[in-house]
Amino acid sequence: AQSVTQPDIHITVSEGASLELRCNYSYGATPYLFWYVQSPGQGLQLLLKYFSGDTLVQGIKGFEAEFKRSQSSFNLRKPSVHWSDAAEYFCALVPGANNLFFGTGTRLTVIP
Amino acid sequence: EPEVTQTPSHQVTQMGQEVILRCVPISNHLYFYWYRQILGQKVEFLVSFYNNEISEKSEIFDDQFSVERPDGSNFTLKIRSTKLEDSAMYFCASSLLDSDGYTFGSGTRLTVV
Repeated sequence: AQSVTQPDIHITVSEGASLELRCNYSYGATPYLFWYVQSPGQGLQLLLKYFSGDTLVQGIKGFEAEFKRSQSSFNLRKPSVHWSDAAEYFCALVPGANNLFFGTGTRLTVIP
Repeated sequence: EPEVTQTPSHQVTQMGQEVILRCVPISNHLYFYWYRQILGQKVEFLVSFYNNEISEKSEIFDDQFSVERPDGSNFTLKIRSTKLEDSAMYFCASSLLDSDGYTFGSGTRLTVV
């Protein structure tokens, strides 16, 4: 069975600092991987996705993620965080069936 | 940019009542989904819909739930007899391809009292 683990429930960073949100997955093959962001009271917005090819994926809002097969990871990064990045971030995979399987999320707080 | 529209944004209903949550997916999308997020928990898959029928459903999607695409534009989720534990944020999503990045609506917060 598939699983998605986001080890950090809550992360606090200073504005301007770099950010890395961790995501580990368990699946028998290479899944399709996604990162979504949810601002308070809002829906889920797709940041980026990985299907195949280049393992470093660029997304919206200056985010990127790197797929590492050997570590079963798909960590999200941003070199300089803005106050507007404060939100909940979800890693998800599509294991082959046509539905998204989400991690439990990481809440990001940005301090001035 | 095209978006998925959900109405209402918030619905309060009494336990045992029927509710219908409405969604207008992106017009050229072919796959439609409902997910839910109980407060403080992760987003969970409920059901996917393609070619006018359910293509997959989770254990959560029991006989109390049904989906319909009545008129070619709307996509509805009906809960026949709501329970307290149905209180959650319900998200509709659509995609052009079945493994594509889905576009989510902003959700309907359902409160069962």
